[in-house]
Amino acid sequence: NAGVTQTPKFQVLKTGQSMTLQCAQDMNHNSMYWYRQDPGMGLRLIYYSASEGTTDKGEVPNGYNVSRLNKREFSLRLESAAPSQTSVYFCASSDWDRAVGYTFGSGTRLTVV
Amino acid sequence: AQSVTQPDIHITVSEGASLELRCNYSYGATPYLFWYVQSPGQGLQLLLKYFSGDTLVQGIKGFEAEFKRSQSSFNLRKPSVHWSDAAEYFCAVGALGSYIPTFGRGTSLIVHP
Repeated sequence: NAGVTQTPKFQVLKTGQSMTLQCAQDMNHNSMYWYRQDPGMGLRLIYYSASEGTTDKGEVPNGYNVSRLNKREFSLRLESAAPSQTSVYFCASSDWDRAVGYTFGSGTRLTVV
Repeated sequence: AQSVTQPDIHITVSEGASLELRCNYSYGATPYLFWYVQSPGQGLQLLLKYFSGDTLVQGIKGFEAEFKRSQSSFNLRKPSVHWSDAAEYFCAVGALGSYIPTFGRGTSLIVHP
């Protein structure tokens, strides 16, 4: 089925470890996004890529880096994980020029101990 | 700056009863409006969207929403709720050229048998 695929679905890291969350979409959307979702905080935008070749900071970018590898793929990297980064991470894609709303992936549940 | 308010943190209804979830937005121009649903442990799924045209929008799963510019509202309705509708519902507002919608904090729907 067409959509947004995130890997891994679950991950436990030790403080200071690094990891990369992968996201791929097959809908030919121009824009891609990374959000984190925490209880009581709603969805907070970490980084986004309006189009291939561009990335921009969102509301909570500290401690994260992103790479828009190509039109399909947008990865999120934690260089030195901290317990405050324990969260559920969602990737999304959209195409505003075609009046397409967000399509979300199923999420990555990350725990940093 | 755009903003979204979902006044109700929790809503409890009986199965078979009608439902209305409230969403108020703040934005200077014509907004793009969305409703998403998130079941436990899942990503967000688009229920319906308004970009232009008819202000009464039909979505999936029997939901509809009405854009009322004079009231800055985009309330979600369903005539008869099913137990499977229990979930978190998010309203979001976007804008042409913005690429980044703003999400409300969500309304948790509880359905009693």
